[in-house]
Amino acid sequence: DTGVSQDPRHKITKRGQNVTFRCDPISEHNRLYWYRQTLGQGPEFLTYFQNEAQLEKSRLLSDRFSAERPKGSFSTLEIQRTEQGDSAMYLCASSLGWTSGTNEQFFGPGTRLTVL
Amino acid sequence: AQSVTQLDSHVSVSEGTPVLLRCNYSSSYSPSLFWYVQHPNKGLQLLLKYTSAATLVKGINGFEAEFKKSETSFHLTKPSAHMSDAAEYFCVVSELSGGGADGLTFGKGTHLIIQP
Repeated sequence: DTGVSQDPRHKITKRGQNVTFRCDPISEHNRLYWYRQTLGQGPEFLTYFQNEAQLEKSRLLSDRFSAERPKGSFSTLEIQRTEQGDSAMYLCASSLGWTSGTNEQFFGPGTRLTVL
Repeated sequence: AQSVTQLDSHVSVSEGTPVLLRCNYSSSYSPSLFWYVQHPNKGLQLLLKYTSAATLVKGINGFEAEFKKSETSFHLTKPSAHMSDAAEYFCVVSELSGGGADGLTFGKGTHLIIQP
């Protein structure tokens, strides 16, 4: 399968714990995006990378959220000191950027986080 | 700044009848517009995209959308609904602004219900 993959698909954690999610984009895509989707809402943009450079992080929800893409391939999203309000679906997407004409993004299946 | 308004949170139609999902957008630049579909426990799938090449855009599964700049609308239609069309539909805008955030902006979604 050459689509976007995310791991784990589900994560249950206790409040105060740290969690890390992984995203593997489509191999030839240089851009990688993270979104959060809460129940009944559309996905909300968090941050994105072009290759290994994080070009936008002002949309990250708090300083407890951080993302990396160290070698310009896979990316990780970490949430420190989780809170119950962090419970959501975390989506990853990748794209070729505007060279494709539209910045069409391809989404992974998501990681569903539940904070108890 | 870009924004999307999906005018109906829920739409219910009978199988075999037409579907209309309404979307209005706001964009400071020439936008790219998309419709994505999300089936329960499935990832986001691209239905169609507008790239300024043609105002009437055809997508997968018989869906199409018309870009109307004067009305800032991008409504999604299908001539005949099928039970498998029951899902959440998102209207999405992305704009090439030359800098800043490059994520997609999603509407809140329209839940399409198909009555047998």
